[in-house]
Amino acid sequence: GDSVTQTEGQVALSEEDFLTIHCNYSASGYPALFWYVQYPGEGPQFLFRASRDKEKGSSRGFEATYDKGTTSFHLRKASVQESDSAVYYCALGDRGMGYKLTFGTGTSLLVDP
Amino acid sequence: NAGVIQTPRHKVTGKGQEATLWCEPISGHSAVFWYRQTIVQGLEFLTYFRNQAPIDDSGMPKERFSAQMPNQSHSTLKIQSTQPQDSAVYLCASSPAGANTGQLYFGEGSKLTVL
Repeated sequence: GDSVTQTEGQVALSEEDFLTIHCNYSASGYPALFWYVQYPGEGPQFLFRASRDKEKGSSRGFEATYDKGTTSFHLRKASVQESDSAVYYCALGDRGMGYKLTFGTGTSLLVDP
Repeated sequence: NAGVIQTPRHKVTGKGQEATLWCEPISGHSAVFWYRQTIVQGLEFLTYFRNQAPIDDSGMPKERFSAQMPNQSHSTLKIQSTQPQDSAVYLCASSPAGANTGQLYFGEGSKLTVL
């Protein structure tokens, strides 16, 4: 079945550091790719999506580019802030099933002020 | 606009009891999803409705779990004979009609604890 791998379970940074969270996927079809963010006590929130090869998604200073060749959708931000501390989930969506999402295991980001 | 509303926010049951979780999707959204979140398994898809019809329940445990959507304004997830391994946060999400974005709007979740 389809799957998403996030290699970093936790990332600790200082404010203004550069962030990379790695996401690789495995899918039989041509999925749409997503990043969601979850704050404590809340449900995941949509961050952005990309639906085709080489498309870049972005929001709130975060960005990721769909790379079909390397099956990746890595999340990057040039300068993180303390308020970015949260859990980030990469997901793929099956277009044929109304975008039923398959999530990665999540990466907990902690940013020290 | 109100977001997805889930009740109760917290529920504690004894082993073997029944638990019913409620979800009110965002008005006008035609797709409703249920996910389960645990530390060990992460976010797991359970089931999905579109226009109140069940579309995919491939993630639902075959025994004890059932979901319904009797009208467009609410969905329920029922767990019979709850077991400690059912302890989790159950998340409901909705998505707009005909949308091709795949953007899900999640509720805050119902935390189920089975003693």
